[in-house]
Amino acid sequence: AQSVTQLGSHVSVSEGALVLLRCNYSSSVPPYLFWYVQYPNQGLQLLLKYTSAATLVKGINGFEAEFKKSETSFHLTKPSAHMSDAAEYFCAVSDINQGGKLIFGQGTELSVKP
Amino acid sequence: DTGVSQDPRHKITKRGQNVTFRCDPISEHNRLYWYRQTLGQGPEFLTYFQNEAQLEKSRLLSDRFSAERPKGSFSTLEIQRTEQGDSAMYLCASSSLFQGRGEQYFGPGTRLTVT
Repeated sequence: AQSVTQLGSHVSVSEGALVLLRCNYSSSVPPYLFWYVQYPNQGLQLLLKYTSAATLVKGINGFEAEFKKSETSFHLTKPSAHMSDAAEYFCAVSDINQGGKLIFGQGTELSVKP
Repeated sequence: DTGVSQDPRHKITKRGQNVTFRCDPISEHNRLYWYRQTLGQGPEFLTYFQNEAQLEKSRLLSDRFSAERPKGSFSTLEIQRTEQGDSAMYLCASSSLFQGRGEQYFGPGTRLTVT
């Protein structure tokens, strides 16, 4: 069975500081991994995805994530936080050979202080 | 491409009533998924369709829940005899089996409140 653990339900950073949101996964098959962002009362927007190509994945809004198989991690980073980055972030894993359903972590709420 | 749409955006109903939600996927997407999200949690998978066939249902989908996707286009999710525990955001997503790498695109969700 696949699972995702996001360390830290709430992360707070200052504007301009590094953003690091942690995600560890468990999967018995090579995983597809995703990061989504959710703003209040909205659906989820895809930030980036890892699908067995390059291990360093660049996404929208300056975010990137690195797939580390040895650590079963897929942490999300952004060099400089902006006020507009404040939102809920979800890491998800899927097995594309099993219908592609997404298994989500519990989410990390990012706050950005001025 | 107008994205995934869901209707209604909000629904307030009394316990015991039936409710139905609609999802219109991105037009060329052949896979459609339903998820449920409760406050402070990540979305949980409910069911998915490939074209008109419902291929998997989560054990979360009790017999009060039914989903359809006639003709492989829009989908409906019906909850019968609603309970307060059904209060949640219901999210729909779609993806293409033949394009991209399985990424799913989400609609804005339907927030259900059962009083």
